[in-house]
Amino acid sequence: EAQVTQNPRYLITVTGKKLTVTCSQNMNHEYMSWYRQDPGLGLRQIYYSMNVEVTDKGDVPEGYKVSRKEKRNFPLILESPSPNQTSLYFCASGGGTGGSYEQYFGPGTRLTVT
Amino acid sequence: EDKVVQSPLSLVVHEGDTVTLNCSYEVTNFRSLLWYKQEKKAPTFLFMLTSSGIEKKSGRLSSILDKKELFSILNITATQTGDSAIYLCAVDAGNNRKLIWGLGTSLAVNP
Repeated sequence: EAQVTQNPRYLITVTGKKLTVTCSQNMNHEYMSWYRQDPGLGLRQIYYSMNVEVTDKGDVPEGYKVSRKEKRNFPLILESPSPNQTSLYFCASGGGTGGSYEQYFGPGTRLTVT
Repeated sequence: EDKVVQSPLSLVVHEGDTVTLNCSYEVTNFRSLLWYKQEKKAPTFLFMLTSSGIEKKSGRLSSILDKKELFSILNITATQTGDSAIYLCAVDAGNNRKLIWGLGTSLAVNP
């Protein structure tokens, strides 16, 4: 089954404790992206990757890191989480080259930083 | 600045009603417009529209794009309680595949 998976699905942590949210897709997509979704603010892009070893900042990259060492994986790293990073996080992947495409979303990770 | 605006923000209807959701956009390099449905989980893809005037249809849902007036509508006929969700509109502005997202329309269908 074609899908995007994320782990963990729920996480409660404390300020300053490094964490990683994993994302994996099995559709051989070149493009992957991380979003956060907050009430009233909609979906905001954190980082994206056009291909292996190619990553770039989205709209709200502060406090986050990513890496793309393999095509299928795109982990999101919070080196020192803070309470303002409490949010619902989605990983997405998209296929095709050139023209338009659609993005497929993972199930989401609800993160609470206390 | 590229932007996508959805209206209404919220809508409550009765089962069987027909609803029309709106998405207007201002982007410098339009490639496509996408509709997603989000229930209590991840957004799921509904439609992608690239050409004006060509209706995309899936069951009771349909959508059309007007590239001259810069908007799209999503129609849902004979609504059911299972249609209750947030409907998101996004535009591919051709900038490294970045999608510009609207804030969504929250639809509640009451029995």
